Amino acid sequence: SAVISQKPSRDICQRGTSLTIQCQVDSQVTMMFWYRQQPGQSLTLIATANQGSEATYESGFVIDKFPISRPNLTFSTLTVSNMSPEDSSIYLCSVEAGNFGEQYFGPGTRLTVT
Amino acid sequence: AQTVTQSQPEMSVQEAETVTLSCTYDTSESDYYLFWYKQPPSRQMILVIRQEAYKQQNATENRFSVNFQKAAKSFSLKISDSQLGDAAMYFCALRNAGNMLTFGGGTRLMVKP
Repeated sequence: SAVISQKPSRDICQRGTSLTIQCQVDSQVTMMFWYRQQPGQSLTLIATANQGSEATYESGFVIDKFPISRPNLTFSTLTVSNMSPEDSSIYLCSVEAGNFGEQYFGPGTRLTVT
Repeated sequence: AQTVTQSQPEMSVQEAETVTLSCTYDTSESDYYLFWYKQPPSRQMILVIRQEAYKQQNATENRFSVNFQKAAKSFSLKISDSQLGDAAMYFCALRNAGNMLTFGGGTRLMVKP
């Protein structure tokens, strides 16, 4: 398994601003993932971040809006840029750390955009 | 494309009773893994149980067990001796060879004392 922390745990932001979310894992991992969970909904994958390469974005998500950094094997950041109220969600990072491809999740960042 | 469907948006169970949450999926791959995750109000996603598609034997973890029917593409979760702490959203998820997890829409489980 893996222990994952995220900062901040929650934030309230003004529209048009940007927020960077940090994800730290207690062991070296190859693959890290960023998800969005809108209120009352399931998880939607934003992008996959592998160390040493550009993040791979899913349909509907673009790098200009959600730039991701992956400077080493234990850390990643997701920036939500030029925020609008529609970006209000929980953002979760996860890592693949098991023998069977299971992912372990951070506690999430609850973002509210006013 | 692969899909995961949870047909029960909400379920309730009496404390100490047994409840079964349903999940069906669709994938064209023969090698994949299935998972159940629990998300309590604290929002931390917790891995409950996993099943390898190549294994016929159903996975069991303490009070949690699955009924994996590969031909029917069904993967239900049974919770025995339900406890108040089991109240949460439960998500079924499918992982294919491409490392992507696809989640179902979730089932909210309420436990009545």
